[in-house]
Amino acid sequence: DAEITQSPRHKITETGRQVTLACHQTWNHNNMFWYRQDLGHGLRLIHYSYGVQDTNKGEVSDGYSVSRSNTEDLPLTLESAASSQTSVYFCASSDNGQPNTGELFFGEGSRLTVL
Amino acid sequence: RKEVEQDPGPFNVPEGATVAFNCTYSNSASQSFFWYRQDCRKEPKLLMSVYSSGNEDGRFTAQLNRASQYISLLIRDSKLSDSATYLCVVTLNTGGFKTIFGAGTRLFVKA
Repeated sequence: DAEITQSPRHKITETGRQVTLACHQTWNHNNMFWYRQDLGHGLRLIHYSYGVQDTNKGEVSDGYSVSRSNTEDLPLTLESAASSQTSVYFCASSDNGQPNTGELFFGEGSRLTVL
Repeated sequence: RKEVEQDPGPFNVPEGATVAFNCTYSNSASQSFFWYRQDCRKEPKLLMSVYSSGNEDGRFTAQLNRASQYISLLIRDSKLSDSATYLCVVTLNTGGFKTIFGAGTRLFVKA
């Protein structure tokens, strides 16, 4: 069955370190997204991609970067981790004619703690 | 004002009860509407889309009121397994499509 997987599922790191969260989908979806979820907030969009070599900033993109070299993967990099980036990160994908208007399929999440 | 607002709850209801959640959105240009369900420490999953005419899926009924800019979700005959957080989701086109999630409403169904 097609799926979307994230790794690592849990990570503890120190302030200032570079961290990369992996996201891999086998749906063959064009659209991929990274969200963070914090208590009291809805899911907030960090970065998104509508296809290979396409990347776009979301509403909370500062301190994060992504790259899209193939259809399946959208890794999220925290260049220099900060305590404010402690959160649960969800990767999602979708595939329809109009990006972001259809169902989003989420990975299981990556819980990141920055000490 | 948040773009999508939900009562955070929690709603504590007995099995068999009917419970309703409301969600309001601020941008009248919003185009598509959804309810997602999220179990504790799990990923969100689509529960149902919301159409202007209203739609029903088993015990779940979703309604959209564009004039008042709110969406509702009604759950009839609540089951223990309905305990979860329900996320209201709105998409709009502001030169590019944007999906906005509410913070969610927590539901606890008790025996």
